[in-house]
Amino acid sequence: DAGITQSPRHKVTETGTPVTLRCHQTENHRYMYWYRQDPGHGLRLIHYSYGVKDTDKGEVSDGYSVSRSKTEDFLLTLESATSSQTSVYFCAIGGPTGLAGNTIYFGEGSWLTVV
Amino acid sequence: AQSVTQPDIHITVSEGASLELRCNYSYGATPYLFWYVQSPGQGLQLLLKYFSGDTLVQGIKGFEAEFKRSQSSFNLRKPSVHWSDAAEYFCAVAPSGAGSYQLTFGKGTKLSVIP
Repeated sequence: DAGITQSPRHKVTETGTPVTLRCHQTENHRYMYWYRQDPGHGLRLIHYSYGVKDTDKGEVSDGYSVSRSKTEDFLLTLESATSSQTSVYFCAIGGPTGLAGNTIYFGEGSWLTVV
Repeated sequence: AQSVTQPDIHITVSEGASLELRCNYSYGATPYLFWYVQSPGQGLQLLLKYFSGDTLVQGIKGFEAEFKRSQSSFNLRKPSVHWSDAAEYFCAVAPSGAGSYQLTFGKGTKLSVIP
């Protein structure tokens, strides 16, 4: 298994509160991603990072921000959580490294409920 | 923009029967193609991937997939299904030649296996 740790794994929060999810990797990989998974939608890309301090938006980035101050950590922040952000959030790592077999690996997920 | 269609939301097969899960994509060129499996409450596990070369790709757990450029398809197959294969399966694409693997997922096919 790829060395990806997400925290917290489960969280219940109230509408309007800030929430930060953390993804920690031990693979020293350049590329990291945040996806959300919702029934009937599959997984959708929120933000991704291609290096320290280098991030970009994905398909569903509204209401989310990210930061990457170290190679191993990629933080996803909901500045003011809304019920529509109740979801399962997955961190992933991987991308073109010039090495054979490079691919994307996913963490175990973080279940977020906004009440 | 690229898109992925998995026409079957739910498939039920008997244990020992063959399986084919369909995946069609829309993209201007040949993308990178992936199949992932997700068990309930778990993260995503890579089954197989196609980047280039041989259009029949072998994966883990006895799965294979065939890339058909003319049909823009990447269908997943298994000759004999086991009860442990019950899970949700996701097809995904990433733009080839890009600087990262920003995956676009299908909405998934849930597989049920009858003993």
